[in-house]
Amino acid sequence: ETGVTQTPRHLVMGMTNKKSLKCEQHLGHNAMYWYKQSAKKPLELMFVYSLEERVENNSVPSRFSPECPNSSHLFLHLHTLQPEDSALYLCASSPGPPGNTIYFGEGSWLTVV
Amino acid sequence: GQNIDQPTEMTATEGAIVQINCTYQTSGFNGLFWYQQHAGEAPTFLSYNVLDGLEEKGRFSSFLSRSKGYSYLLLKELQMKDSASYLCALGNTGFQKLVFGTGTRLLVSP
Repeated sequence: ETGVTQTPRHLVMGMTNKKSLKCEQHLGHNAMYWYKQSAKKPLELMFVYSLEERVENNSVPSRFSPECPNSSHLFLHLHTLQPEDSALYLCASSPGPPGNTIYFGEGSWLTVV
Repeated sequence: GQNIDQPTEMTATEGAIVQINCTYQTSGFNGLFWYQQHAGEAPTFLSYNVLDGLEEKGRFSSFLSRSKGYSYLLLKELQMKDSASYLCALGNTGFQKLVFGTGTRLLVSP
């Protein structure tokens, strides 16, 4: 079991649906991240939050909308996705300052049909 | 930008030693990470190099040469459970915005 938990682990949604991915970290970290992992492609950084403030938006389409209500929780709201958005979405956290390790959750497998 | 190259796939035998290489072209980074990822699971942290040289942690060691743009992960006394993908990542300044390579899938056979 990791200190970062994600729900749901698997999600199938239609292109017109609205759904959300949830992440919770139990490590007391200050920074949280969303990464996307597609087949045969490197892990891609999507968003970074530090102390509930978004500090990075890596040119992600607006159909992905993050929310960080507090330093322990992170959401990724999904709306009108495309089939090519099907991927593993990984949440992660870190203590914050440079040099500290990122710890990943087990990911949410998303399939858009 | 940062280009990170790793071999796509490697095979090795149980009990052997394997070296997984990572080369990169970048204008700057604060450290280099190695992660292990079993199929369907989260990446887990293995090692972190800031300075040039070798970092040893049990059966795993990682090496960095900034002047050569090169790192490797060395796995000794291979076990079947070491079959996984190994991800090389560069850590940038700020809140550890990692840039990953595509990963090397290692298959350990009996």
